[in-house]
Amino acid sequence: DVKVTQSSRYLVKRTGEKVFLECVQDMDHENMFWYRQDPGLGLRLIYFSYDVKMKEKGDIPEGYSVSREKKERFSLILESASTNQTSMYLCASIPSWDSENNEQFFGPGTRLTVL
Amino acid sequence: AQTVTQSQPEMSVQEAETVTLSCTYDTSESNYYLFWYKQPPSRQMILVIRQEAYKQQNATENRFSVNFQKAAKSFSLKISDSQLGDTAMYFCAFMTSIVPLNDYKLSFGAGTTVTVRA
Repeated sequence: DVKVTQSSRYLVKRTGEKVFLECVQDMDHENMFWYRQDPGLGLRLIYFSYDVKMKEKGDIPEGYSVSREKKERFSLILESASTNQTSMYLCASIPSWDSENNEQFFGPGTRLTVL
Repeated sequence: AQTVTQSQPEMSVQEAETVTLSCTYDTSESNYYLFWYKQPPSRQMILVIRQEAYKQQNATENRFSVNFQKAAKSFSLKISDSQLGDTAMYFCAFMTSIVPLNDYKLSFGAGTTVTVRA
């Protein structure tokens, strides 16, 4: 089974703190994603990466950065956390293109509260 | 991002009954993939069912089936014989099939919370 794990289920930080959210997948997937989930808005893509050291902005990248130094690990960084970044953060991965296997696999999520 | 619309924020269904969730989307592409994902309370998001736009036959997975109307850009999910374990938030999602762009991104709808009553 594919496993996508995230470093924390719950996290509480203060405004202005630098926050790291870690995601690790164990199935050698090339592509990894960070989404945030908010009520009434669904999931919105923050950043994604299709290879080590490669990154692409998603729909809402402002206030975030990412790092992918190893294939299995994709980190989301909040340089200076703000209260409007309080949300559920979901990581996902998917293997290289296969029309019969294009399912994204999700981590359990990190619920971040910024006070 | 493609626009995906789920117009039903919440739905309630009696155990063993059938419920249908609606989803519409907007695209100019001719081929693409549509998905329904399930997120149970405090649990991981999992894939329920997938449909490729070029395939005319509607996808089915056990008690879950879709009604894919390509011209209308509609992709509804039917849950038959609802079970208590079906209680979850359900998301409709769109993925392009433009492979050369390495575009595996998903565009999600806002979600529909389904509650199955005993």
